[in-house]
Amino acid sequence: ELKVEQNPLFLSMQEGKNYTIYCNYSTTSDRLYWYRQDPGKSLESLFVLLSNGAVKQEGRLMASLDTKARLSTLHITAAVHDLSATYFCAVTGYGGATNKLIFGTGTLLAVQP
Amino acid sequence: DSGVTQTPKHLITATGQRVTLRCSPRSGDLSVYWYQQSLDQGLQFLIQYYNGEERAKGNILERFSAQQFPDLHSELNLSSLELGDSALYFCASSGGAISWNEQFFGPGTRLTVL
Repeated sequence: ELKVEQNPLFLSMQEGKNYTIYCNYSTTSDRLYWYRQDPGKSLESLFVLLSNGAVKQEGRLMASLDTKARLSTLHITAAVHDLSATYFCAVTGYGGATNKLIFGTGTLLAVQP
Repeated sequence: DSGVTQTPKHLITATGQRVTLRCSPRSGDLSVYWYQQSLDQGLQFLIQYYNGEERAKGNILERFSAQQFPDLHSELNLSSLELGDSALYFCASSGGAISWNEQFFGPGTRLTVL
């Protein structure tokens, strides 16, 4: 059964600091996604990572994927308050007939001034 | 705006009741997914339909059922509601059904069971 672990669960950062969120998954997956969720809102897609060594960057966020280690990271550079949200990673199964998403627990990021 | 619509936005009801949540996928998308987000269970996959047929089932209770209609909209029916069913229910859609089809999420329906 595909399981996804994410840590930390909660991250309090100061503005201007760097930090990394980790996402581990238990079996081979076709794709890994990172989403952002603001309180009471829907999921906003940030990154889709397809292959080993994939790295994508958007603004202060950079995501990478190591399929051999079954690990993805979301790195935050010089955090600003606007990045405060909950971040989820999610994976699909491998080669299956469905692309249902299995989500991690989420990381609540609070950026303090 | 993802193009996926969900109604209603909020629903407040009592234990034991039955409710129906509605989802309209993006234009042209054949696959619809339902997810539940609650404090204790997190975000979990419930069920997927592809072009009217059930494609995959997750942790969906027997009290819950879903269907996808010929016009591709989907409904999630929740019956004999319990306090623990209070959650945010998301619908997502994608063009296809397999792993390389990205899903787009609707705004969600917040269900409160009193």
